[in-house]
Amino acid sequence: ELKVEQNPLFLSMQEGKNYTIYCNYSTTSDRLYWYRQDPGKSLESLFVLLSNGAVKQEGRLMASLDTKARLSTLHITAAVHDLSATYFCAVSSYNTDKLIFGTGTRLQVFP
Amino acid sequence: DVKVTQSSRYLVKRTGEKVFLECVQDMDHENMFWYRQDPGLGLRLIYFSYDVKMKEKGDIPEGYSVSREKKERFSLILESASTNQTSMYLCASRTGMNTEAFFGQGTRLTVV
Repeated sequence: ELKVEQNPLFLSMQEGKNYTIYCNYSTTSDRLYWYRQDPGKSLESLFVLLSNGAVKQEGRLMASLDTKARLSTLHITAAVHDLSATYFCAVSSYNTDKLIFGTGTRLQVFP
Repeated sequence: DVKVTQSSRYLVKRTGEKVFLECVQDMDHENMFWYRQDPGLGLRLIYFSYDVKMKEKGDIPEGYSVSREKKERFSLILESASTNQTSMYLCASRTGMNTEAFFGQGTRLTVV
């Protein structure tokens, strides 16, 4: 059974600092997705990572995938308040359409 | 733009009622999903469908069923609502295995 774990669950950061969110998963997969959810809103897609070594960047966020370690990271550079949200990773099982989400990381950026 | 529409934003139902949550997408997507979201538990997959009339159980299917009679519509059915089914329900759809999923706005269901 595919399990997806994120850590930390909650992250309070000062503006301007860097940090990394980790996403581990339990079975073979080379398809991983990152989403953002603002309070009271639905989920919005951030990154799609489809191969080992894939790296995607958008503004202050960079996501990478290591399929051998079954690990993805979401790196935040020089955090700003606007990045405050909950971030989810999701993994598709190898050769199926199932899409399983992690528990989410709630990020709070303060001045 | 992809649009995934859930029929209600808020619903209040009584224990024992049969409840229907509807989801419609306008992008001819093959895959459709139902999740529930609870604080501290993230999104948990209830059911998904990879084609019309095709469905698979997710991680928490007990107490739920689904229907996909047309490609654009995926319904979640609570056969006999219970208070532990009070939650936010999210529908999503996507083209296929290698693509991102798009989410509806969510239905906050309260069972009293």
